[in-house]
Amino acid sequence: SQKIEQNSEALNIQEGKTATLTCNYTNYSPAYLQWYRQDPGRGPVFLLLIRENEKEKRKERLKVTFDTTLKQSLFHITASQPADSATYLCALFNYGQNFVFGPGTRLSVLP
Amino acid sequence: KAGVTQTPRYLIKTRGQQVTLSCSPISGHRSVSWYQQTPGQGLQFLFEYFSETQRNKGNFPGRFSGRQFSNSRSEMNVSTLELGDSALYLCASSTRPPEDNNEQFFGPGTRLTVL
Repeated sequence: SQKIEQNSEALNIQEGKTATLTCNYTNYSPAYLQWYRQDPGRGPVFLLLIRENEKEKRKERLKVTFDTTLKQSLFHITASQPADSATYLCALFNYGQNFVFGPGTRLSVLP
Repeated sequence: KAGVTQTPRYLIKTRGQQVTLSCSPISGHRSVSWYQQTPGQGLQFLFEYFSETQRNKGNFPGRFSGRQFSNSRSEMNVSTLELGDSALYLCASSTRPPEDNNEQFFGPGTRLTVL
């Protein structure tokens, strides 16, 4: 069966450390994958997109990797800050099924 | 540029009623997608429209329907409401169809409560 999972429901890290969030999928062949941030009571906000033929993308303190062999994407926030606390969602685009979202990881950055 | 707007923001209905939600995409965006978000199921795809055509539909019953107008504004309708339809309904817009590798801009959502 098809599945998309994010490894932790919640993740607590200390300010200044690197947060690493994982997204794994089964029985999908995504054309690309996106990461979003969602704050309570708000809609998701787009962060990064990575295509199936790309290994890594960066944007400021954010980095995403995509391994189609492992069927996994890693999302890193370096030098994390309390303002980075939010729920992070991965979403894969699968032809014929549109976007499929993971359940999200609630990140808390502790001062 | 104004963001995606959704109206109403909050709605309370009773079982059996029907509801219409509205979404105004960012100016110039022709692709609109709708999602349902619940604590148990997360974010689930409902439909996707591009230039007034429904191009894709998620795994939801026929009680869920939608349309897109010539100005790209979109509405979704849920008939014969059930308790399980209580959710945050999110609309997202983008300049091109989803298969063209582009980001989606989400609205704030409509919180629907069915009593």
